[in-house]
Amino acid sequence: EADIYQTPRYLVIGTGKKITLECSQTMGHDKMYWYQQDPGMELHLIHYSYGVNSTEKGDLSSESTVSRIRTEHFPLTLESARPSHTSQYLCATRGSGETQYFGPGTRLLVL
Amino acid sequence: GEDVEQSLFLSVREGDSSVINCTYTDSSSTYLYWYKQEPGAGLQLLTYIFSNMDMKQDQRLTVLLNKKDKHLSLRIADTQTGDSAIYFCAEIRNSGNTPLVFGKGTRLSVIA
Repeated sequence: EADIYQTPRYLVIGTGKKITLECSQTMGHDKMYWYQQDPGMELHLIHYSYGVNSTEKGDLSSESTVSRIRTEHFPLTLESARPSHTSQYLCATRGSGETQYFGPGTRLLVL
Repeated sequence: GEDVEQSLFLSVREGDSSVINCTYTDSSSTYLYWYKQEPGAGLQLLTYIFSNMDMKQDQRLTVLLNKKDKHLSLRIADTQTGDSAIYFCAEIRNSGNTPLVFGKGTRLSVIA
């Protein structure tokens, strides 16, 4: 099992606000990922990182940004939240092995 | 077209076996995975299979891999109401540095 923490778990915020979703892990995994998922729907990869100072855009165009200054943290930032950003955001990690682990997710509602 | 395809819905009676199917297109897939997602939660890894294997069994779960047809299945024996969830198939390709490619998920409903 993996220790992946996402905060906050739930967030309700007004349009135009800047928000940062936190993801942290204690396994020292190099690879980290952010997915966006509407309820009961498919996963969309929005950002990923192979290690410190590495960030890549995923398959889904996103208005969010990420940073990877430390191995343990991979925060996701929305500079100006909009109702279309309402979704669940899932963080995941993978080490040198083949297993990818997911965090519990952050449910975001933008009013 | 889709890289990883799954049927979207499956409904079974409690106690019956469930079979969730997945097809993929990339012959370079090295590992294939099954994840389970319960409402409001993240994805939980159920099991995975290396591409040189045909079958893997873990308690009530049996994974079958047909590389020729690029077909992966997950069989859940004695399906329980707690198995109701969305099941995602995923693959990893080549060296494994690329992100996993996920199917759209199959929603399994277990009828008591």
